Amino acid sequence: QKEVEQDPGPLSVPEGAIVSLNCTYSNSAFQYFMWYRQYSRKGPELLMYTYSSGNKEDGRFTAQVDKSSKYISLFIRDSQPSDSATYLCAMGRGTNAGKSTFGDGTTLTVKP
Amino acid sequence: KAGVTQTPRYLIKTRGQQVTLSCSPISGHRSVSWYQQTPGQGLQFLFEYFSETQRNKGNFPGRFSGRQFSNSRSEMNVSTLELGDSALYLCASSFGLTQGDEQFFGPGTRLTVL
Repeated sequence: QKEVEQDPGPLSVPEGAIVSLNCTYSNSAFQYFMWYRQYSRKGPELLMYTYSSGNKEDGRFTAQVDKSSKYISLFIRDSQPSDSATYLCAMGRGTNAGKSTFGDGTTLTVKP
Repeated sequence: KAGVTQTPRYLIKTRGQQVTLSCSPISGHRSVSWYQQTPGQGLQFLFEYFSETQRNKGNFPGRFSGRQFSNSRSEMNVSTLELGDSALYLCASSFGLTQGDEQFFGPGTRLTVL
């Protein structure tokens, strides 16, 4: 069983929709949580970073972490065609800074 | 501030050859991590270097090796290439000093092994 499981997708939504992307994890040692966006033929771009349970908001993006359930989510409000990309969740442990464990990614398409 | 740079961007090699990839981190970052990304396995951690020392290592065979120089630039070497080594190789840099500081990725080197 993988340490990090991500909803596989692909996901296709109309422009303006609210998107929910989800990951679960099994290792309770994970302390910090990230979401990356990766466009085709590009490296992952860090979107959100958090290390505590609760919500963190940045513009149209909200990251939610529930450590008790070992569940994290990324919400995208008012989705735009430019949000079409693969979204990767990632997690790490403080004792292994520099080593992140990634989900397999969810490919999102936002249709105009 | 300049981002993480990787060279070359594309490489084509044949089985049995070796290859060296280069990564220049963001100025001030001392940690460089390498990842392999393939459609079937996703993003997998190879190793991390901090201040010229390997600090973390993933589950890859010894054919995969790396090093880091005093200016924090890092190289990754793959010897005796196999078809399965075809992948996007990504490096990520961070300050590496505090627990879980943010990693920033380069654009990657796409390696094709024929």
